[in-house]
Amino acid sequence: NAGVMQNPRHLVRRRGQEARLRCSPMKGHSHVYWYRQLPEEGLKFMVYLQKENIIDESGMPKERFSAEFPKEGPSILRIQQVVRGDSAAYFCASSPPDRAPETQYFGPGTRLLVL
Amino acid sequence: TQLLEQSPQFLSIQEGENLTVYCNSSSVFSSLQWYRQEPGEGPVLLVTVVTGGEVKKLKRLTFQFGDARKDSSLHITAAQPGDTGLYLCAGDKNNNDMRFGAGTRLTVKP
Repeated sequence: NAGVMQNPRHLVRRRGQEARLRCSPMKGHSHVYWYRQLPEEGLKFMVYLQKENIIDESGMPKERFSAEFPKEGPSILRIQQVVRGDSAAYFCASSPPDRAPETQYFGPGTRLLVL
Repeated sequence: TQLLEQSPQFLSIQEGENLTVYCNSSSVFSSLQWYRQEPGEGPVLLVTVVTGGEVKKLKRLTFQFGDARKDSSLHITAAQPGDTGLYLCAGDKNNNDMRFGAGTRLTVKP
């Protein structure tokens, strides 16, 4: 059973470009969470999704950020018109439906660098 | 202000020493988790505690959940260099998401 997969592992973008981060949850997991981590800090919750539904997006910036988890395919975190302050590690986690949200398995993260 | 305060923020000790790190909050949690994160990797779940006063052992690691379910501690006996990492606590308030503390960065020197 493969773990949570995230790609790309590293992403470099120039200011104003778009960044798309992908997350494939573990098999059988229908709950996905996105977090952001700045250097030397803990994880900041961004959004919680189930298939085709956003359950909680209270941690998402109001502008430029969006997330989806379609019926088929990976979850996508999209950042439009990136700025230098978006540089961070973005982690995705997934849970099985009967143990959400207290049991989350994390992916290896995508490290976004905005030049 | 963090919902979960972890202390100390940094800890550097010699191999063989014992240590305790803390995770405190003014909020009550239905469950609390401890994770360990190594550089360049995602956090790995160590334990979930659910019942107030609960104690769980994982080899040389002992986790305790406070009676009021507002705080937790992690005690490591005879620390080894392989224990080096960022220790994160996270709490679930029985809503839809978890909140993480800022972590304790542990370095164990050989």
